[in-house]
Amino acid sequence: AQKVTQAQTEISVVEKEDVTLDCVYETRDTTYYLFWYKQPPSGELVFLIRRNSFDEQNEISGRYSWNFQKSTSSFNFTITASQVVDSAVYFCALVTGTYKYIFGTGTRLKVLA
Amino acid sequence: KAGVTQTPRYLIKTRGQQVTLSCSPISGHRSVSWYQQTPGQGLQFLFEYFSETQRNKGNFPGRFSGRQFSNSRSEMNVSTLELGDSALYLCASSLLTGELFFGEGSRLTVL
Repeated sequence: AQKVTQAQTEISVVEKEDVTLDCVYETRDTTYYLFWYKQPPSGELVFLIRRNSFDEQNEISGRYSWNFQKSTSSFNFTITASQVVDSAVYFCALVTGTYKYIFGTGTRLKVLA
Repeated sequence: KAGVTQTPRYLIKTRGQQVTLSCSPISGHRSVSWYQQTPGQGLQFLFEYFSETQRNKGNFPGRFSGRQFSNSRSEMNVSTLELGDSALYLCASSLLTGELFFGEGSRLTVL
């Protein structure tokens, strides 16, 4: 069975704090893709990053960084020096060759000024 | 470049009625997928179409159906509406790279 677990339902941090959003996935497929999406209060989901199962390199994009570890089936997302504009619901997703996206239940991040 | 367009944005129906939602993907995107978003269940995959063929579907009853036209536009239909069908229905289009581009959604309320 394929599954994505985002155990953190809601996280609150004070501006400028670092925060890590956890994502654990399950799949028996050897080829798969992992994604993170952001859903701000306006509602429209926005793509953040894609990682394939053969690329375990961590990635940094500005204040965002992602840590992909196949050994623990995790694809965690860290925001450094959080800002109020980072407040949103963040979704982790898994897709395999069956073209079926499996989303986690999301983590609501609140960044307080 | 125009984004994914979903219509209608909001609609209210009563139990037993049916509803059709429309999605126009980004030009050039041949894959269209649909999702149901509810507060308790998060985002749940409904189905995915590519070049008018349904390639996969989620675990929803047969009351949920969809189709894709030759111009890649897609529709989904829900028949015999139930209260539990109240949700935000999201459409997304994508290229072969897999990243999804979402529309703003159609918010359905069933009374």
